[in-house]
Amino acid sequence: DAGVTQSPTHLIKTRGQHVTLRCSPISGHKSVSWYQQVLGQGPQFIFQYYEKEERGRGNFPDRFSARQFPNYSSELNVNALLLGDSALYLCASSTDSNQPQHFGDGTRLSIL
Amino acid sequence: DQQVKQNSPSLSVQEGRISILNCDYTNSMFDYFLWYKKYPAEGPTFLISISSIKDKNEDGRFTVFLNKSAKHLSLHIVPSQPGDSAVYFCAASSLIQGAQKLVFGQGTRLTINP
Repeated sequence: DAGVTQSPTHLIKTRGQHVTLRCSPISGHKSVSWYQQVLGQGPQFIFQYYEKEERGRGNFPDRFSARQFPNYSSELNVNALLLGDSALYLCASSTDSNQPQHFGDGTRLSIL
Repeated sequence: DQQVKQNSPSLSVQEGRISILNCDYTNSMFDYFLWYKKYPAEGPTFLISISSIKDKNEDGRFTVFLNKSAKHLSLHIVPSQPGDSAVYFCAASSLIQGAQKLVFGQGTRLTINP
């Protein structure tokens, strides 16, 4: 069975640009969450979606937004990119909010 | 404000022996705890979880212990194998308005020596 898939795997952008990251959850999983991981730290929660509705939001600025589609895939959008947005962005899916989350391999975003 | 802490950045264990990874948390609202393993260039892989209504959960070589009064959990790996060498993250969550927001520790790099 396919796991969580994320695209692209790597991305280089410059300050001020915007970026869209994509995630396809494990088949049958209706909940998708996004995390940011900077070097040397654990992942930090950005958003959780379930059945296309936002269920939770972490402590990130409004430049970060997300959505979930009817097929349960999801996009994370980041506007007005800053150097500090350079990180590994991880997507995780689960069958429901109270089940273990399973992660994709992430998108490595570098801001120049 | 670090709500979940892994105070050991690294741990080295001989193959075949027990590996014990520790994690402390501060938020008494956390009711679900998980351990993940991460290899370089891969996403975290779910290992084992425990609900706050239990104090122990086993899955093969992996056992998680939860001490709620001390706000402490640990992961035991017995016996340790070379393939266990990775970074281990503990995570804690509570269901808030239906959302499971995982809060991660900083990770512990486990090295298994042959």
